[in-house]
Amino acid sequence: SQQGEEDPQALSIQEGENATMNCSYKTSINNLQWYRQNSGRGLVHLILIRSNEREKHSGRLRVTLDTSKKSSSLLITASRAADTASYFCVAAGGTSYGKLTFGQGTILTVHP
Amino acid sequence: KAGVTQTPRYLIKTRGQQVTLSCSPISGHRSVSWYQQTPGQGLQFLFEYFSETQRNKGNFPGRFSGRQFSNSRSEMNVSTLELGDSALYLCASSSQEGNEQFFGPGTRLTVL
Repeated sequence: SQQGEEDPQALSIQEGENATMNCSYKTSINNLQWYRQNSGRGLVHLILIRSNEREKHSGRLRVTLDTSKKSSSLLITASRAADTASYFCVAAGGTSYGKLTFGQGTILTVHP
Repeated sequence: KAGVTQTPRYLIKTRGQQVTLSCSPISGHRSVSWYQQTPGQGLQFLFEYFSETQRNKGNFPGRFSGRQFSNSRSEMNVSTLELGDSALYLCASSSQEGNEQFFGPGTRLTVL
């Protein structure tokens, strides 16, 4: 896999607001994955979008992928305090043999 | 299905000692990857095992080693511990190349 670069580095919002995080990558991919890490639940896979998909939903999560711009976005709607975490994108392409390359992530803080 | 389990959860060692960490993947998953997470370097890939064979290795010294057993359980060993080895060690399992990885809660290693 290759490292995705998340933007912004930090995001602070109020409960109930939407949060949008962006990810850019450099080379072609098979899929792009988003992960979340917080102290309570560890590192958790959120959603995987394949290169031939443009949008995918999972509960309050919406992910878009634009392969022409080599970018993805993660939208969390109606944020909750429990969404406070670091969010990472991983761009998977080729044969990585189990290696995921993580960037620094976006630190999301949702204030009650 | 039970998730990925790691033992022990916490470990305190002194410099020069060695340590063995254990990981049990999700049932049916044959790929196990190991990562080191530190505040300074973030999440870094250590190695991956599939069907008892190491298929991929990150940029870590030879003091870091691992193995996988026929039941897919994996262990990693760090010999001659250094202060800089203090970190959260995460293992993850996956059912198929390129698919999402499921992470365990991690082992927090402190080297004094």
